[in-house]
Amino acid sequence: GQSLEQPSEVTAVEGAIVQINCTYQTSGFYGLSWYQQHDGGAPTFLSYNALDGLEETGRFSSFLSRSDSYGYLLLQELQMKDSASYFCAPRSNDYKLSFGAGTTVTVRA
Amino acid sequence: EAQVTQNPRYLITVTGKKLTVTCSQNMNHEYMSWYRQDPGLGLRQIYYSMNVEVTDKGDVPEGYKVSRKEKRNFPLILESPSPNQTSLYFCASTFLAGGPHEQYFGPGTRLTVT
Repeated sequence: GQSLEQPSEVTAVEGAIVQINCTYQTSGFYGLSWYQQHDGGAPTFLSYNALDGLEETGRFSSFLSRSDSYGYLLLQELQMKDSASYFCAPRSNDYKLSFGAGTTVTVRA
Repeated sequence: EAQVTQNPRYLITVTGKKLTVTCSQNMNHEYMSWYRQDPGLGLRQIYYSMNVEVTDKGDVPEGYKVSRKEKRNFPLILESPSPNQTSLYFCASTFLAGGPHEQYFGPGTRLTVT
């Protein structure tokens, strides 16, 4: 079957580093995407890992280990505007994207 | 401006009254998809389409229909809405060649069925 786990909530202070872990069980796994969604807004794409290793995009980095069915999103130098929900989304080889329940990140001053 | 538009943005309706939520994109994307978002459940895919006249079921297709007669439009049809279809709906699109991992989402349609 398919399953997806990520923490429901994370709280941190401005300037801190937050890591959001994601473990998945996806038939025909192809890669792992991450999306950000601010309250009341639409999800927006952050990053994608098709291969093992770290992808860096500014303050955000994403990691994938295919052998462990595990990935994480790293948010560095946290800012208030980073308060949002973050979704990991495994892509399967049948052109489907499955979203987790999301992790709510709250950044405190 | 490149965008995905949805209409209406908010809708309150009654059980059994057929409704259509429109979705349109101006980026010439082949791939379009509908999701519903419910608290604690994340985004669940309803239907997706890889091109004109090509549609397929997602994870929660029951109670919904779609059509893809033109590349830019992908309407979601609820023939007989029920209260359990009260939800926030998102349409999304992307290029097929790159794969569906980077999708562009519309602003969402909040539907309430009483």
